[in-house]
Amino acid sequence: AQSVSQHNHHVILSEAASLELGCNYSYGGTVNLFWYVQYPGQHLQLLLKYFSGDPLVKGIKGFEAEFIKSKFSFNLRKPSVQWSDTAEYFCAVNDQAGKSTFGDGTTLTVKP
Amino acid sequence: GAGVSQTPSNKVTEKGKYVELRCDPISGHTALYWYRQSLGQGPEFLIYFQGTGAADDSGLPNDRFFAVRPEGSVSTLKIQRTERGDSAVYLCASSLSGGLTDTQYFGPGTRLTVL
Repeated sequence: AQSVSQHNHHVILSEAASLELGCNYSYGGTVNLFWYVQYPGQHLQLLLKYFSGDPLVKGIKGFEAEFIKSKFSFNLRKPSVQWSDTAEYFCAVNDQAGKSTFGDGTTLTVKP
Repeated sequence: GAGVSQTPSNKVTEKGKYVELRCDPISGHTALYWYRQSLGQGPEFLIYFQGTGAADDSGLPNDRFFAVRPEGSVSTLKIQRTERGDSAVYLCASSLSGGLTDTQYFGPGTRLTVL
């Protein structure tokens, strides 16, 4: 069975600080990895995804993530966060049928 | 274009009652997923439809939960004899064809509260 672990439950940063959210997964097959974001009062939306090719993936709003196969990791990064990045972030892995397994999420609070 | 819609947005019911939650996927999407999100946790898979058929219902917690998609578009999640532990946000997602590389588009969810 696949599983996803997000190390940080709540991260608090000041504006312009750099961000890295950890994600480790466990899955025996070919993986497709995602980061989703849920802004307050809004529904889940895709930030970025990886399924093959360059392990450094760039997404929307300046976010990027690096797939490190040997570490089973897919950490999310942003060089300089903004107050508007305050949200909950979920890492997920898909199986062959597209069924997603999610981590428990990381709440990011950015102080202005 | 329209995204995934879910109705109702909120549902409050009493323990033991029956509820139906509806999902309208993006037009043309053949794959439809239901997830449940409890407070402080990530979404948890319930069931996956490919067209009209349930391709994987391994996430349904017990036989009180059932879902249908009779015409391959709208889906209804049905919960019988609701229990307080069923309280959660129920999310629906759709994707073009399902599979490893497809992107799922999520609806806003239905918040179910069982008193």
